[in-house]
Amino acid sequence: TQLLEQSPQFLSIQEGENLTVYCNSSSVFSSLQWYRQEPGEGPVLLVTVVTGGEVKKLKRLTFQFGDARKDSSLHITAAQPGDTGLYLCAGLVGGKLIFGQGTELSVKP
Amino acid sequence: GAGVSQSPSNKVTEKGKDVELRCDPISGHTALYWYRQSLGQGLEFLIYFQGNSAPDKSGLPSDRFSAERTGGSVSTLTIQRTQQEDSAVYLCASSPGLLVHNEQFFGPGTRLTVL
Repeated sequence: TQLLEQSPQFLSIQEGENLTVYCNSSSVFSSLQWYRQEPGEGPVLLVTVVTGGEVKKLKRLTFQFGDARKDSSLHITAAQPGDTGLYLCAGLVGGKLIFGQGTELSVKP
Repeated sequence: GAGVSQSPSNKVTEKGKDVELRCDPISGHTALYWYRQSLGQGLEFLIYFQGNSAPDKSGLPSDRFSAERTGGSVSTLTIQRTQQEDSAVYLCASSPGLLVHNEQFFGPGTRLTVL
């Protein structure tokens, strides 16, 4: 069974702080996706990382795929209340997406 | 439509009753997925359709759960003899089926409460 472990599960920070969310597995993934989900809505795709060591930036969000394609991180710089939500990583293996359990982020003004 | 739609948005039912949840994927998307999400948790894969066929039903938790897809479009997930542990948000996603990395577009979900 492929598992994706996300940490931390919960994160509560003040506006302006930086944070990093981690997504780890013992399995190798073809690619890894990050989604963000707000209450009452479905997850929305933020980014897909494909190549080991790849770094992608989306405004204040930086996504990195590990060299061995087993782990990934999401770093948010100067978090804002609008960043509040559930962040999910999902790894592609055998054509199937395996989701982590999510990181619940709360950014207080 | 512009996105994936699901109905109903909320469903409250009594233990033992059957429920049907509906998903309308993005027009032209050939792949359709059903997931279950418990409060604040990640997504549990249930079943996947490519066209009208379901190559992967491995995530269905019991034989009380079934799903079908007709005309390569709308899908229904049926839960028979509902139990309290079936309470969750049921999410549907679709994909063009041509994207190498299987990026998925999600609907807003159906929140199911079994009393």
